[in-house]
Amino acid sequence: EIVLTQSPGTLSLSPGERATLSCRASQSFSSSYLAWYQQKPGQAPRLLIDGVSIRAAGIPDRFSGSGSGTDFTLTISRLEPEDFAMYFCQQYDSSYTFGQGTKLEI
Amino acid sequence: QVHLQESGPRLVKPSQALSLSCSVSGGSINNGDRYWSWIRQSPEKGLEWIGYIFYTGIPYYNPSLRGRLTMSLDTSKNQFSLRLTSLTAADTAVYYCATAPVIPGGFDDWGQGILVTVSS
Repeated sequence: EIVLTQSPGTLSLSPGERATLSCRASQSFSSSYLAWYQQKPGQAPRLLIDGVSIRAAGIPDRFSGSGSGTDFTLTISRLEPEDFAMYFCQQYDSSYTFGQGTKLEI
Repeated sequence: QVHLQESGPRLVKPSQALSLSCSVSGGSINNGDRYWSWIRQSPEKGLEWIGYIFYTGIPYYNPSLRGRLTMSLDTSKNQFSLRLTSLTAADTAVYYCATAPVIPGGFDDWGQGILVTVSS
C-alpha cells in the first residue's frame, strides 16, 4: 500500500499570503495519479487538482499542483478567507489511499 | 456532474451488519466510464477507500475489509449499495459514496455523507 504523508499538520497563515502544502509518498509513482481535495467542516471533500497539476472544473487559478516521484505540492498563491480548510492528497496509482490532511488555519 | 445521496441507518449495534445505499441522479450507473465507490472518514483512520463497483457488477474491495464487505448494483433504481458485516466501534465513521472516472482520475463527485455510529 502506498502511504501518503502530508506536512505540515497545521499551517497558520493570513489572507493574501502564499500557502505551500506537501505530500510525500512511501514509494515512487510511475504515473501522474495524484489528486488534492479541500474539505470544509460538515462537507464532503471537493476535488481541486487531478493528475498532479490539472485544476478541476470551477477551481480558481490561485490553486496549483506540482511534483513527481514521491514529492508533491499544492500551492495557493494568495489566500482568500474561504480557502481556510482541510486539504488532503490522494493517490490512484495503486488502489486508492489518502494522506492524513493539512489544516490550513488563520 | 452527477448527484449522489447516501441512505441507511445511523446507529448499528456491534457485531451486526451495516447496509447503505447510494442513489445516483444526473447520470446512469450503467455508464461504463465510471467507478462507483464507497469511502469512509473517521478521526482515527482519516479518509479510507472502502471499495468500488463497476457497471458490470464486478467489485474491487480494499483488502483490509475483504471478507466483511459486499457491494452491489441495482440498475433499475440507479443505485449501488454496501453491506459491511461484523461491525465494531472501529467502523464508526462518516460514509460517503463517490465516483471517479475509469480513465484514471480523482473522485470528482461525492455524496454529502452519512454518519454511522456502532454502539450498543
